[in-house]
Amino acid sequence: DIQMTQSPPTLSASVGQRVTITCRASQTVGGWLAWYQQKPGKAPRLLIYDASTLNGGVPSRFSGSGSATEFTLTINSLQPEDSAIYYCQQYNSYAWTFGQGTKVEIK
Amino acid sequence: EVHLLESGGGLVQPGGSLRLSCAASDFNFDTYAMNWVRQAPGKGLEWIAGISDNGADTFYTDALRGRFTISRENSRDTLYLQMNDLRAEDTATYFCAKGVGQTVVTPNNYFDMWGQGALVTVSS
Repeated sequence: DIQMTQSPPTLSASVGQRVTITCRASQTVGGWLAWYQQKPGKAPRLLIYDASTLNGGVPSRFSGSGSATEFTLTINSLQPEDSAIYYCQQYNSYAWTFGQGTKVEIK
Repeated sequence: EVHLLESGGGLVQPGGSLRLSCAASDFNFDTYAMNWVRQAPGKGLEWIAGISDNGADTFYTDALRGRFTISRENSRDTLYLQMNDLRAEDTATYFCAKGVGQTVVTPNNYFDMWGQGALVTVSS
């Protein structure tokens, strides 16, 4: 299976700051990468697919980039409601695998 | 708005069985692949099984193949997960998740809608 590694595990930032989460794959996944947001006690929510395509209804402050083995999720102008855990997921190769998550906290 | 509602979770003894259901509404259930994803308490997400729109093709994570069975009943807009020989490490919240195409293959296997989850606790 392809291993997905996210960094950092946790980050703390102030409202209005720009934050970046990195996701690295153990082998190439092309552009087949998604990002999800999960708040406590809730189901994950799809934010981005195909590495950089914003899902409908997701605020434009979220963006994704990257290809092959390195990807980033950027949140421009962090908002209080962005406090959550963020997961990347590759869907290039069976079995579909997730990163271990990055917890974003608001200072 | 798409809705997915899981049921059937609960407490089960090691070695026991449980069947989860996921009732779908407000979309054409029989034209989308469906999946199960689980999350152990305080842990990350793990995809465990997927099924094509017509049920002809099923996929499993290798670790669970043989113990878990995914199926669907399109006439009832319902997805199932039969879980046998349950172990303590199967304790998790189980989410059903909608794929974006008919098949469980690239590039369709990301998940654009999730249920609220069903908690399964395996303990004596």
